[in-house]
Amino acid sequence: AQSVTQLDSHVSVSEGTPVLLRCNYSSSYSPSLFWYVQHPNKGLQLLLKYTSAATLVKGINGFEAEFKKSETSFHLTKPSAHMSDAAEYFCVVSVRNNNDMRFGAGTRLTVKP
Amino acid sequence: EAGVAQSPRYKIIEKRQSVAFWCNPISGHATLYWYQQILGQGPKLLIQFQNNGVVDDSQLPKDRFSAERLKGVDSTLKIQPAKLEDSAVYLCASSPFGVGETQYFGPGTRLLVL
Repeated sequence: AQSVTQLDSHVSVSEGTPVLLRCNYSSSYSPSLFWYVQHPNKGLQLLLKYTSAATLVKGINGFEAEFKKSETSFHLTKPSAHMSDAAEYFCVVSVRNNNDMRFGAGTRLTVKP
Repeated sequence: EAGVAQSPRYKIIEKRQSVAFWCNPISGHATLYWYQQILGQGPKLLIQFQNNGVVDDSQLPKDRFSAERLKGVDSTLKIQPAKLEDSAVYLCASSPFGVGETQYFGPGTRLLVL
């Protein structure tokens, strides 16, 4: 079975400073990895996904993530935070051949003016 | 294209009552998922359909939860009878093929059991 651990339940940054949301995973097979964002009272929206192509994945709204197999990590970054980035972020691991998709517990990002 | 539609958006019931949620996936998407998201936690998969067949329902509490996807399109999730711990947001998602593909989520149904 696979699992995902989001290392921080809450991250607070100032507007204009870098964002780092950390995610570690475990999987017996080659995983697909995703980051989703959930704004208050809105549905989950895909930010980016990794599916065994380039290890540095670029997503929407200036976010990117790097797949590091040796560290079993898939951390989400953004060079400069914007107020609109304040939301809940979920790291997700899935493996096609066992129909299993696991969400992390989420990281709440707060952006201070 | 239209997104995943869910109704109702909010529901308040008393324990031991029954409730049903409806989901209409993106047109042409073969796979449909129901998730339960308890406050402060990540979504947990309850059931996955591929067309109108069940692929995975290992985490569905079958003594009180049931789901169906008639004709491989719309889906209904039912809880009967509801318990206090069922208070959560129920999310529906769809994808073109299956696990490992991008899932597209609906806005969710927020259930409060009193």
